[in-house]
Amino acid sequence: ETGVTQSPTHLIKTRGQQVTLRCSSQSGHNTVSWYQQALGQGPQFIFQYYREEENGRGNFPPRFSGLQFPNYSSELNVNALELDDSALYLCASSPRGEGRVQYFGPGTRLLVL
Amino acid sequence: GENVEQHPSTLSVQEGDSAVIKCTYSDSASNYFPWYKQELGKGPQLIIDIRSNVGEKKDQRIAVTLNKTAKHFSLHITETQPEDSAVYFCAASLERNTGKLIFGQGTTLQVKP
Repeated sequence: ETGVTQSPTHLIKTRGQQVTLRCSSQSGHNTVSWYQQALGQGPQFIFQYYREEENGRGNFPPRFSGLQFPNYSSELNVNALELDDSALYLCASSPRGEGRVQYFGPGTRLLVL
Repeated sequence: GENVEQHPSTLSVQEGDSAVIKCTYSDSASNYFPWYKQELGKGPQLIIDIRSNVGEKKDQRIAVTLNKTAKHFSLHITETQPEDSAVYFCAASLERNTGKLIFGQGTTLQVKP
């Protein structure tokens, strides 16, 4: 098991609502990446945060936003939820200087009704 | 655009046999290739990775090979055990500064006792 933790583990929302997911990175790691994993598919890169700034973004609309805090933990915010946002949201942290070496947390399962 | 193709989608082997999973990437600038194991209800676990300046890497029963000319890389698991049963994902990265990983579609490996 990695030292990456995510909360909550499960979440149910309705279409149009907003959601905030949280991630604590592994000790000694300073970079956090977020991925969306639909059922039966590989994870899709949303964005990465380094030094509290977005450091690369995948093909996701602006209603997906994030934050990184001074202690390297991070939040993923999704506004105006759509049914297709139902997925497992994964957070990964990386050691200093190795942003592509990513250790994943257990994920947050989001269901949008 | 960037793409990673993974085969086969499912693989069933007898305990003790070897398993091989293959991936092909589209962008020749890709230079980092991790493999992940994902068990049911858990996040992906990094099991081995290889960089483009190396042709092969081994870690106990697991090995990865890389053919840069053909743009493909493979995961080899020897002496398979029932606990190796999981979904395996390959990934590729070409953006050192953003840490974006492009994942394959996954291979469900079943090891029969």
